[in-house]
Amino acid sequence: DGGITQSPKYLFRKEGQNVTLSCEQNLNHDAMYWYRQDPGQGLRLIYYSQIVNDFQKGDIAEGYSVSREKKESFPLTVTSAQKNPTAFYLCASSMNGLAGYSTDTQYFGPGTRLTVL
Amino acid sequence: GNSVTQMEGPVTLSEEAFLTINCTYTATGYPSLFWYVQYPGEGLQLLLKATKADDKGSNKGFEATYRKETTSFHLEKGSVQVSDSAVYFCALINTGNQFYFGTGTSLTVIP
Repeated sequence: DGGITQSPKYLFRKEGQNVTLSCEQNLNHDAMYWYRQDPGQGLRLIYYSQIVNDFQKGDIAEGYSVSREKKESFPLTVTSAQKNPTAFYLCASSMNGLAGYSTDTQYFGPGTRLTVL
Repeated sequence: GNSVTQMEGPVTLSEEAFLTINCTYTATGYPSLFWYVQYPGEGLQLLLKATKADDKGSNKGFEATYRKETTSFHLEKGSVQVSDSAVYFCALINTGNQFYFGTGTSLTVIP
């Protein structure tokens, strides 16, 4: 089955620790995205990548870092600099990266719920 | 610029009632429009899409028509079920591969 997997489903972090959230896709999509969702809120874009070895900051990139060394993988690190990291994190992908077609569709993973203890 | 505005929730309906969730957008050019559904504790699932004016997207009894003249993409369903309880997001994509999401509308259907 093709799709997007995120792990772990639940993650607990102590204050001052860095944690890395995994996102893998086997859809052969060029573009990948990370969003943050707070309770009762919409989605806010953290980072996105349109091609391997390249990524751009979204609206709320401070305190987060990413890498895109492989097409299928786009891990997100939540650093200790992120002051309020407790949230639901969603990874997504879409087929076309730099081509930027306006007919593209974004597909989402199941999410990771991060809680800071 | 590009943006999506959808009706504030929460919306509570009785089973078999008619559903409308309003969505309007601002965009240059020719965006594609989407409705996503999110069940509790899960990611977003694509519900339906439309890629050009006057297109109607449909899936699982839900429908939405891309109205360029009113810049709208309202979601409708003729008879909702308890299993339709979820949060619904309207979204658009324009050139440059940027997606824009509304803030979500929570729907609760009571038996």
